[in-house]
Amino acid sequence: ILNVEQSPQSLHVQEGDSTNFTCSFPSSNFYALHWYRWETAKSPEALFVMTLNGDEKKKGRISATLNTKEGYSYLYIKGSQPEDSATYLCAFIVGGYQKVTFGTGTKLQVIP
Amino acid sequence: NAGVTQTPKFQVLKTGQSMTLQCAQDMNHEYMSWYRQDPGMGLRLIHYSVGAGITDQGEVPNGYNVSRSTTEDFPLRLLSAAPSQTSVYFCASSYGVGGTRYNSPLHFGNGTRLTVT
Repeated sequence: ILNVEQSPQSLHVQEGDSTNFTCSFPSSNFYALHWYRWETAKSPEALFVMTLNGDEKKKGRISATLNTKEGYSYLYIKGSQPEDSATYLCAFIVGGYQKVTFGTGTKLQVIP
Repeated sequence: NAGVTQTPKFQVLKTGQSMTLQCAQDMNHEYMSWYRQDPGMGLRLIHYSVGAGITDQGEVPNGYNVSRSTTEDFPLRLLSAAPSQTSVYFCASSYGVGGTRYNSPLHFGNGTRLTVT
């Protein structure tokens, strides 16, 4: 069983604040890392698929970076809005396998 | 374009009963998978399939069976329900993950909330 850890477990920020959270994963045999946003009463939706060391992806106010050598990825949200409130999941894929291992998520609440 | 469709949305079973959770996708995805979501545990992989006729076990396969006779459908069978199988179940599909010619994200269904009494 692979160990994919996310921190913090939960986070409360004020509207307009910028924030970031971390996903840690095994640094050996890396294939890909996914980020998903999961709003309450909905299903997870993909944000980013990251494959290369040093990758940076951006979607509006949300961006992510990847360091495969040290086994971590950061997700950044600039100028948080109430609609950003959700659980953010990362998912790790090992090279040569088809299994997707999820972290337990970071629950973000943006206070208006 | 319906995406990933799961049925039923809710189900209550008695211990020992069997049932099948249905999952269908209309995106011609080769990869399909089942997860269960439990408080504090995140999403855990039960079984997955990389194409019709090919299935494999995930992290928590005990008590569940799958088959993949068509590209579109990937049903999950509970053979003899137990209270420990009370959970929310998600089906997800993709063109492919890890080790295939594709590296695309998962598309999730809306989930099935199962209670076993």
